[in-house]
Amino acid sequence: AQSVTQLGSHVSVSEGALVLLRCNYSSSVPPYLFWYVQYPNQGLQLLLKYTTGATLVKGINGFEAEFKKSETSFHLTKPSAHMSDAAEYFCAVSEGGATNKLIFGTGTLLAVQP
Amino acid sequence: NAGVTQTPKFQVLKTGQSMTLQCAQDMNHNSMYWYRQDPGMGLRLIYYSASEGTTDKGEVPNGYNVSRLNKREFSLRLESAAPSQTSVYFCASSQGPEAFFGQGTRLTVV
Repeated sequence: AQSVTQLGSHVSVSEGALVLLRCNYSSSVPPYLFWYVQYPNQGLQLLLKYTTGATLVKGINGFEAEFKKSETSFHLTKPSAHMSDAAEYFCAVSEGGATNKLIFGTGTLLAVQP
Repeated sequence: NAGVTQTPKFQVLKTGQSMTLQCAQDMNHNSMYWYRQDPGMGLRLIYYSASEGTTDKGEVPNGYNVSRLNKREFSLRLESAAPSQTSVYFCASSQGPEAFFGQGTRLTVV
């Protein structure tokens, strides 16, 4: 069965500092991997996705993530945090196919301090 | 572009009442999903529909029923609401790996 583990339910960084949000997954088949962002009282917006090909994936707002099969990880990074990055971030895994169910991690709330 | 539209946005129910959450997508997607979001638990899949005419249980189906009315619409019904069903409900659709989400329905059961 698929599962996703996000280490750290709350992460706080200073404005301008590196953002690193951790995600590990388990999947019995090559996975599709996603990061979604949720701003307060809003829906989920796709930040980036890995399906096939290049393992370093670039997304919106300067975020990127690297798929590391040997470590079963898909950590999200951004070199320099901005106040507008404060939000909750969800990692998700899918095995694709006809059903394409997304399995989510429990989320990481990112706070950015001035 | 409307994408995935959910109604209502907010709802307060009394224990035992019933209601239906509506979801419609205009992207001609085959697959649709209902998730619930609770603090510290992420999003959990309630039911999904891989295509028109089919529905299947997800991780937390108890207390819910669904109807895939047509390719566009996928509704979620609470027959007898319980306080444990207080949550934010998200509908999503997909055609391929990426899922697109609605803005959510915030449901409170008192």
